[in-house]
Amino acid sequence: GIQVEQSPPDLILQEGANSTLRCNFSDSVNNLQWFHQNPWGQLINLFYIPSGTKQNGRLSATTVATERYSLLYISSSQTTDSGVYFCAVLSFYNTDKLIFGTGTRLQVFP
Amino acid sequence: GAVVSQHPSRVICKSGTSVKIECRSLDFQATTMFWYRQFPKQSLMLMATSNEGSKATYEQGVEKDKFLINHASLTLSTLTVTSAHPEDSSFYICSAASQEKGYEQYFGPGTRLTVT
Repeated sequence: GIQVEQSPPDLILQEGANSTLRCNFSDSVNNLQWFHQNPWGQLINLFYIPSGTKQNGRLSATTVATERYSLLYISSSQTTDSGVYFCAVLSFYNTDKLIFGTGTRLQVFP
Repeated sequence: GAVVSQHPSRVICKSGTSVKIECRSLDFQATTMFWYRQFPKQSLMLMATSNEGSKATYEQGVEKDKFLINHASLTLSTLTVTSAHPEDSSFYICSAASQEKGYEQYFGPGTRLTVT
């Protein structure tokens, strides 16, 4: 089945810093989502982005489906950005289920 | 956006008992609901997919007789962990999707199950 790898696995930032999180996938996808899992476990939808670039405030995402990767940019990070960031894909060949990546654990310190 | 609730948020039960977890889509009708399990510091693993009015489809390695899933309406799915054991302790998360929402999955807040 499709493999979804994220990097880096862990990231520590000081408030105000920028960061880029990467998601690589091993096969063609129909769709891709980015999520933020807060310290209480709630998954928050960030982007639904099969291709192209989207921006929402301090966050933006770019997916290059032909090269099988997606990037999540966080600018001017805040302590509330702490948590785990997951990308998840819908395989082109099995569109019934999301396959989650390995996650990036982000800690932002004041 | 879309709101999905789960109840209870936290439950502690004794080994051998059964526990039911509810997942509700509050502001849209969910044709499909998904159940995931997440162990500490790990990613989400899909357990099963359920469509309203039909039997759930379980992922390989998930015991359907142990994890009973019912999707009786377009806004409610339940997961019952039968004869729970300590190794079933985990964080259980549901999600819901619908055609009206472009099949984007929206997640509940999760249920932390501890079996003693």
